[in-house]
Amino acid sequence: DTEVTQTPKHLVMGMTNKKSLKCEQHMGHRAMYWYKQKAKKPPELMFVYSYEKLSINESVPSRFSPECPNSSLLNLHLHALQPEDSALYLCASSTTGTFYEQYFGPGTRLTVT
Amino acid sequence: DAKTTQPTSMDCAEGRAANLPCNHSTISGNEYVYWYRQIHSQGPQYIIHGLKNNETNEMASLIITEDRKSSTLILPHATLRDTAVYYCIVTSGGSNYKLTFGKGTLLTVNP
Repeated sequence: DTEVTQTPKHLVMGMTNKKSLKCEQHMGHRAMYWYKQKAKKPPELMFVYSYEKLSINESVPSRFSPECPNSSLLNLHLHALQPEDSALYLCASSTTGTFYEQYFGPGTRLTVT
Repeated sequence: DAKTTQPTSMDCAEGRAANLPCNHSTISGNEYVYWYRQIHSQGPQYIIHGLKNNETNEMASLIITEDRKSSTLILPHATLRDTAVYYCIVTSGGSNYKLTFGKGTLLTVNP
């Protein structure tokens, strides 16, 4: 199984809502990533987890809160987002020996109203 | 990590080889060249990577010049499903985990 799954596929939320994005992989990968991609732009790294510990936070605002409850799951908790946070949120995973060969999920299309 | 320069867009006829160039003139000795692609509305997909030797896998070939300042990704028999944005990424291959995507090349395969 070489698949990274993400739920939901689409999400519309108000600026006062709290929601979560979920990512799952069963490839035994111990590195997991969140990326943000605005329309017609390349993906930008947000967070990296290695062995369930946060390794990199690319100065992401605190309204985005990542969580890695186990080696297969990665969540992104969203609170008090702004309309400019509307984007495609991509999850990826890799082994810790080949960080740059990342497997990406299809993404969650988020719209903040 | 070294910067990369790619053409904004390219066209290719179906069944022909697609040759996508990438310039990375400031690449250093320990930096790898990675290629990803992103089909519309999907997540990026790893294609291939190399250090200095040419590489081939089931998806593509990667040709790196002897001075390592440029490379070419070759899709030998392009199909309509190969229409995508192709990203050339140079990274040191260390443990900083960070893939930095540039603007990429939109390859359009025409029937």
